[in-house]
Amino acid sequence: GQNIDQPTEMTATEGAIVQINCTYQTSGFNGLFWYQQHAGEAPTFLSYNVLDGLEEKGRFSSFLSRSKGYSYLLLKELQMKDSASYLCRFSGGYNKLIFGAGTRLAVHP
Amino acid sequence: EPEVTQTPSHQVTQMGQEVILRCVPISNHLYFYWYRQILGQKVEFLVSFYNNEISEKSEIFDDQFSVERPDGSNFTLKIRSTKLEDSAMYFCASSGHGYTFGSGTRLTVV
Repeated sequence: GQNIDQPTEMTATEGAIVQINCTYQTSGFNGLFWYQQHAGEAPTFLSYNVLDGLEEKGRFSSFLSRSKGYSYLLLKELQMKDSASYLCRFSGGYNKLIFGAGTRLAVHP
Repeated sequence: EPEVTQTPSHQVTQMGQEVILRCVPISNHLYFYWYRQILGQKVEFLVSFYNNEISEKSEIFDDQFSVERPDGSNFTLKIRSTKLEDSAMYFCASSGHGYTFGSGTRLTVV
């Protein structure tokens, strides 16, 4: 089957670093994506991994291990505006997207 | 930058009524999708549409749902007889080289 797991909630302090983990199971794999979603808004694309390793994009980095079915999103120099839900997802046939339930991140001063 | 446009942004309807949610995908995209997100829950796939027909649908997409591309630009989701549990954000998306979401329609069934 196809499944994604990520923690429900995390908290962190402004200026700190936080790592949000995601594990997945799928028979076909076309890449692992991370999105940010603020309440009541559409998900916005953050990063994408199709090969193993770390992809860095400013304050955000994402890591993938295909053999372990594991990814993480790393957020550095946290800001208050980073408080949001972070969704990991993969493609599951005919380009449909399978989303995790999302990790709600609360950044405190 | 091209956008996927959804209207209305918020729709309130009475239980049992029909609603039509509208989407204008990015013009050179060939695949279109509807997703649903119940408040506090995950984004769920409803249906994908390609070459004027449904290519895949989830178990959520039952007989009360239908999709249509009535002209060359619009892509609609119709819910025939709304239920309270249909209250959610509905996101349209289209894909070509990239995958783009619309800003969503918040449907409230009362």
